[in-house]
Amino acid sequence: NAGVTQTPKFRILKIGQSMTLQCTQDMNHNYMYWYRQDPGMGLKLIYYSVGAGITDKGEVPNGYNVSRSTTEDFPLRLELAAPSQTSVYFCASSRQGLSEKLFFGSGTQLSVL
Amino acid sequence: GIQVEQSPPDLILQEGANSTLRCNFSDSVNNLQWFHQNPWGQLINLFYIPSGTKQNGRLSATTVATERYSLLYISSSQTTDSGVYFCAGGDAGNMLTFGGGTRLMVKP
Repeated sequence: NAGVTQTPKFRILKIGQSMTLQCTQDMNHNYMYWYRQDPGMGLKLIYYSVGAGITDKGEVPNGYNVSRSTTEDFPLRLELAAPSQTSVYFCASSRQGLSEKLFFGSGTQLSVL
Repeated sequence: GIQVEQSPPDLILQEGANSTLRCNFSDSVNNLQWFHQNPWGQLINLFYIPSGTKQNGRLSATTVATERYSLLYISSSQTTDSGVYFCAGGDAGNMLTFGGGTRLMVKP
């Protein structure tokens, strides 16, 4: 089992560019999440999904979009990147919501210049 | 929403020492998890502990849900324990709120 896999690990964007952060899990987990971690801070929830075809906003969704066409994949799309989106992005999954352990990917460090 | 406060914010230990990290919640939580973020940024789930006590090697955790706090004990600390420890909790929904973390440095 690879667990939760994120790509890319690092990326630099110019202001106004767009990109997609990829996340895939091979544990057959229903729930998937996207968090961002700003320097020296805890994590904040961007979007989550409770299953294929179902997504919902988290605490800080503005400037992002997600889709969940399969159980395995949960990509995060940044449109019109802004310096405020410079952060480390973590994808996570759990089998059955927050009543079970949350497993994280290794993160994507994104800089918007 | 739920507020999560962790203490202490920073901790420096000599290898072999014991420590206790605390997590306070502003409201009742139905789920509580502890994570370790190593110096390379990887987040590892240590415990899922909505109530009671669990142990895993040198680490143990206790949650007193009625008093809205949780404790993480690290015994005989090692340099590999260095990093940031986060607690996180939520109510019945799908939002897990993270604390600001405790930054631990274990010196050899």
